[in-house]
Amino acid sequence: ETVLTQSPATLSLSPGESATLSCRASQSVNSYLIWYQQKPGQAPRLLISDASNRATGIPARFSGSGSGTDFSLTISSLEPEDSAVYYCQQRGSWPLTFGGGTKVEIK
Amino acid sequence: EVQLLESGGGLVQPGGSLRLSCGASGFTFGSYAMSWVRQAPGKGLEWVSSIRANGGDTQYADAVKGRFSISRDNSETTLFLQMNSLRPDDTAVYYCATTREYCSGASCFVPWFFDFWGRGALVTVSS
Repeated sequence: ETVLTQSPATLSLSPGESATLSCRASQSVNSYLIWYQQKPGQAPRLLISDASNRATGIPARFSGSGSGTDFSLTISSLEPEDSAVYYCQQRGSWPLTFGGGTKVEIK
Repeated sequence: EVQLLESGGGLVQPGGSLRLSCGASGFTFGSYAMSWVRQAPGKGLEWVSSIRANGGDTQYADAVKGRFSISRDNSETTLFLQMNSLRPDDTAVYYCATTREYCSGASCFVPWFFDFWGRGALVTVSS
């Protein structure tokens, strides 16, 4: 099973600042790494597929990068509505697995 | 507009059974693989099970293999999850989610990520 480790657990930043979230895989997942955003009481929302492809309707301030085992999600110029938990998921091998999440707090 | 509506959740005793349904609308259900993903209270996301668009291939997490069964009725655009021998650690919100299949002739490709999600159904296993 591919274990995904997300860091940091929590990120507290001010509006306008940039956030960089990390997701590290225990083995290569090629570029098959996905990012979701989940706000309290809501279902997750797809942000980025296959490391760097923004989903429909996702603002350009969200970007993803990486390959192999190391990936990052960058949120440039944070806005208050970006407060959420962000999860990574790999589809490189079964079982599909998720990281433990990074909580982004906006000061 | 894509809509996914889970139902069938509730309180069940350990060892009991429950059947979740996910009614789908707003998209071509028969062109999408479907999955169940759960989230224990205050915890992260956990993939549970997936089924191909034609229902011909299924996958299960080890934690539920042999106890849960995924199925679908494309004529009724509904996804199911039969859950047997339930345990307290199965307590979670269960989400259904879609993955579009891409087909060329008889060959289909499924990029297993989840583009649309339902609002979830809470399953509580407790005595």
